[in-house]
Amino acid sequence: QKEVEQNSGPLSVPEGAIASLNCTYSDRGSQSFFWYRQYSGKSPELIMSIYSNGDKEDGRFTAQLNKASQYVSLLIRDSQPSDSATYLCAVNPSGGGADGLTFGKGTHLIIQP
Amino acid sequence: NAGVTQTPKFRILKIGQSMTLQCTQDMNHNYMYWYRQDPGMGLKLIYYSVGAGITDKGEVPNGYNVSRSTTEDFPLRLELAAPSQTSVYFCASSWTDGGANVLTFGAGSRLTVL
Repeated sequence: QKEVEQNSGPLSVPEGAIASLNCTYSDRGSQSFFWYRQYSGKSPELIMSIYSNGDKEDGRFTAQLNKASQYVSLLIRDSQPSDSATYLCAVNPSGGGADGLTFGKGTHLIIQP
Repeated sequence: NAGVTQTPKFRILKIGQSMTLQCTQDMNHNYMYWYRQDPGMGLKLIYYSVGAGITDKGEVPNGYNVSRSTTEDFPLRLELAAPSQTSVYFCASSWTDGGANVLTFGAGSRLTVL
């Protein structure tokens, strides 16, 4: 069974610091990786996608991918209280991906003012 | 452009009742999905569709049925509701970004079975 693993947290980070969220996946053939943010009682919203090894930056967010280690991470710089949410790592499994994404259980991030 | 619209937002069912969760998207996406999310858990795929007239089972299809008569609509049917179906249900549609499926979610439907 293809799995995506995340530390459920909560991860508590002071305002202004860097929050680091990690994810590992079991399907070595996976090609596409996503980070979704989910506020309590709301639906997931896409914040980052990454398809190649290395780093991808978008504003305060940086996604990092290491396919050899089957590891994806998300860094949030200058963390704000509004970043407090659950962050879901999602992976497009190998074999096409028409059957959607496989999600981790999410990491609950708390930014302390 | 409303995106993905789900109705109802909340529903309470009695054990054994049936209902349909509605999902409509106006983005002309071919791929649509139904996920459920239980507290502290990730999203589990129930059913998906790659186009009108084509549906397939996901990871947790038991107790559910779907249909896809149009590109826009992808309703989820619950027959003989059970307490184990108490969950938040999310419908999603996807577009491709360089070959990858990127999902956009509806606001969710919170279902309680008593």
